[in-house]
Amino acid sequence: KAGVTQTPRYLIKTRGQQVTLSCSPISGHRSVSWYQQTPGQGLQFLFEYFSETQRNKGNFPGRFSGRQFSNSRSEMNVSTLELGDSALYLCASFKGGGNTEAFFGQGTRLTVV
Amino acid sequence: AQTVTQSQPEMSVQEAETVTLSCTYDTSESDYYLFWYKQPPSRQMILVIRQEAYKQQNATENRFSVNFQKAAKSFSLKISDSQLGDAAMYFCAYRRPQGTYKYIFGTGTRLKVLA
Repeated sequence: KAGVTQTPRYLIKTRGQQVTLSCSPISGHRSVSWYQQTPGQGLQFLFEYFSETQRNKGNFPGRFSGRQFSNSRSEMNVSTLELGDSALYLCASFKGGGNTEAFFGQGTRLTVV
Repeated sequence: AQTVTQSQPEMSVQEAETVTLSCTYDTSESDYYLFWYKQPPSRQMILVIRQEAYKQQNATENRFSVNFQKAAKSFSLKISDSQLGDAAMYFCAYRRPQGTYKYIFGTGTRLKVLA
């Protein structure tokens, strides 16, 4: 059974550009969450999607957006990149149910120069 | 709002010895889930152990066990017979039982295992 797949693994962008990151959850999982991980702030929740609907959103500016498709794959977009957006972006997939655990991808390392 | 605190940025343990990582949390809810995740250099977060708040019995997974003190809002992880492969960042996490899969993470503890 394939795990959570995040693409690309590494990305270098210039300030002001935009970027799209992709996450394919485990087959059969309907929920996807995104986290930003930085040395200074740790793991910060970005958004959560369940059956194509955004269920929760973290405290990030509007430059951060996301969506989920009918096949449960999710994308997140960051527009007008800033140096501070450099981080590891992790995607987590959930099967559903009360005590479900998160299965994480290996992340996308974004560097903004 | 819920918070999770890990007060030990870094810990070291000799191979084959036992180490305990601390985690405290704050919540006004009576039901919730607590997790310990491990993040090795490969970056992929891996579930170590899970505890449901309504269960009084402490969770155990092989060499990993927790000491869950609900009244004290404490959730420590004990690693017995430490192995070199246990070296990683360990994150304590909180999640509400319903309506969301949002995790609240602590800042992590880096565990070094000395040969």
